[in-house]
Amino acid sequence: EIVLTQSPGTLSLSPGERATLSCRASQSVSSSYLAWYQQKPGQAPRLLIYGASSRATGIPDRFSGSGSGTDFTLTISRLEPEDFAVYYCQQYGSSPPTYTFGQGTKLEIK
Amino acid sequence: QVQLVESGGGVVQPGRSLRLSCAASGFTFSSYGMHWVRQAPGKGLEWVAVISYDGSNKYYADSVKGRFTISRDNSKNTLYLQMNSLRAEDTAVYYCAKDRSYYYGSGSYYIPYYYYGMDVWGQGTTVTVSS
Repeated sequence: EIVLTQSPGTLSLSPGERATLSCRASQSVSSSYLAWYQQKPGQAPRLLIYGASSRATGIPDRFSGSGSGTDFTLTISRLEPEDFAVYYCQQYGSSPPTYTFGQGTKLEIK
Repeated sequence: QVQLVESGGGVVQPGRSLRLSCAASGFTFSSYGMHWVRQAPGKGLEWVAVISYDGSNKYYADSVKGRFTISRDNSKNTLYLQMNSLRAEDTAVYYCAKDRSYYYGSGSYYIPYYYYGMDVWGQGTTVTVSS
């Protein structure tokens, strides 16, 4: 079973700064099977990125995803106040199918 | 608009059963696989189960296998999660989510042509297992 480890656990930044969030897999993951989600307090998660680098519908272009193999990154180019939230990476694994989430990175206002 | 609405949560004693429902609207429910994902208080997201668009393929997390059953009624645009032998550690908010991907295979092989992620989520229903 593939384990996803996100770092840092908490990231403290100011609006306007650049955020870089990491997701490391315990073994190689197909880029096609890697997604990122945003969750604000009291709300359901929202899909941001699929296929490691494709933005979901309606997601601003300040959000970008990259990576391959075991190392993936979510970058927010210039933080807006509404971007402070918890972010999860997630991967699809086969045989049998599983959908594993990382433990999350909390992005907080500095 | 595209919407998922969960219901059926509540407080239940350990060992008892509960059935959750997820009503879908605004999209062709019968064309997409659906998931249940849960979140324990103050914790991260945990995938629970997935069902294929036609109900022929069902897969579960090890933590719920043998106790939970996912099902769907495409004529009613509704997803279900039957939860039996509930434990304290099943206490969580349960979300249903739509999977935008298209899959092939059966048995142990349920593989997306491309994984588009869980693109629509409900607001969740809370299950508390406590005596």
